[in-house]
Amino acid sequence: GAVVSQHPSWVICKSGTSVKIECRSLDFQATTMFWYRQFPKQSLMLMATSNEGSKATYEQGVEKDKFLINHASLTLSTLTVTSAHPEDSSFYICSADRGSSRADTQYFGPGTRLTVL
Amino acid sequence: GNSVTQMEGPVTLSEEAFLTINCTYTATGYPSLFWYVQYPGEGLQLLLKATKADDKGSNKGFEATYRKETTSFHLEKGSVQVSDSAVYFCALGSGSARQLTFGSGTQLTVLP
Repeated sequence: GAVVSQHPSWVICKSGTSVKIECRSLDFQATTMFWYRQFPKQSLMLMATSNEGSKATYEQGVEKDKFLINHASLTLSTLTVTSAHPEDSSFYICSADRGSSRADTQYFGPGTRLTVL
Repeated sequence: GNSVTQMEGPVTLSEEAFLTINCTYTATGYPSLFWYVQYPGEGLQLLLKATKADDKGSNKGFEATYRKETTSFHLEKGSVQVSDSAVYFCALGSGSARQLTFGSGTQLTVLP
């Protein structure tokens, strides 16, 4: 089956530093990747849609200058949390889309837990 | 806009008990409906789906029927196992977009 990896699986950083999270589709090419944020005991909230070779589309209320997304290739998207603060601590999950128009072709990564001290 | 309301957990059942996790939705148009499962330490996996009214999705003994009249997609399983312990998410996808809207998730624990 389709596999999506995320790296790192967890990260602890100091307030004010930047953190980069990678999302890779290991055995297929993903024209579109999605980044979600999940708070404890809460739902996944879509942050942005990342299309290869173009700028990401951010959801309302998500600061694009704080959450930088780069989708440089068909197998890699990165999310950089710039100048991280404790309120950015969360579980970040990516998904990769094989390119069909059907929503069920999304494959999810295992998530990255970010803790900002 | 689209939204999904899911039964709050946690839910704790004994092995072989009957499971129902309620899910209702609000959407424009004709969405597709999904149930995803997240096992500890793993990513979300698609459990089952239904793409139109009255469709029944099924997988691994789990079933859910797309009820347009009640805007519901309740998840059921007749006899749960310890290995079913996980978090279950109801989600909807709009017709042409690839974006998913998730419910809040329901933690299920099955005791031996």
